[in-house]
Amino acid sequence: NAGVTQTPKFRVLKTGQSMTLLCAQDMNHEYMYWYRQDPGMGLRLIHYSVGEGTTAKGEVPDGYNVSRLKKQNFLLGLESAAPSQTSVYFCASSQGDSLFSWRDTEAFFGQGTRLTVV
Amino acid sequence: QKEVEQDPGPLSVPEGAIVSLNCTYSNSAFQYFMWYRQYSRKGPELLMYTYSSGNKEDGRFTAQVDKSSKYISLFIRDSQPSDSATYLCAMSLNRDDKIIFGKGTRLHILP
Repeated sequence: NAGVTQTPKFRVLKTGQSMTLLCAQDMNHEYMYWYRQDPGMGLRLIHYSVGEGTTAKGEVPDGYNVSRLKKQNFLLGLESAAPSQTSVYFCASSQGDSLFSWRDTEAFFGQGTRLTVV
Repeated sequence: QKEVEQDPGPLSVPEGAIVSLNCTYSNSAFQYFMWYRQYSRKGPELLMYTYSSGNKEDGRFTAQVDKSSKYISLFIRDSQPSDSATYLCAMSLNRDDKIIFGKGTRLHILP
């Protein structure tokens, strides 16, 4: 099925470990996003990309890095995980004439990655 | 004051009832308003969006925006157990501005 696929779905890390979350979309979308969702906080934008080879910071970028070497993939890296990064991470992609034109052409979300840092 | 406020619930209603979900916001410049539905352990999916004030209807769902009160609502008629989910409101200033999400309201429809 077409859509946004995130791997892994679950992960437990120890403080200080590193990991990479992978997001893959097969809809040829230009725009991709990484969000985190925490209880009582809503969805917050970590980083986003407006096309292959580009990345930009969102609201809460500290402690994360991203790369978009291929149009279909958007990677989120945690270099040294901290308990504050325990969260559910969502990747999304969209295609429109502008970055957040989700009103006209829907943004599609992946199923999320549940990350626990102990 | 947070930009977008949404009661987290949970809200439990019997099947067939009319559900009213609401968000308030502080920035009167918001123009685009959206509602997302998120099933447990799934990503959000867009339900409805409206621009500026007014109502919009899609099947059993109606979205209302009252800019004078800085208040938006989502009504669900003839609620079904399959409507049980978390509902997120979201809004933005302009077409290209970042989208601000509410915390979400958990809704349970009781059979």
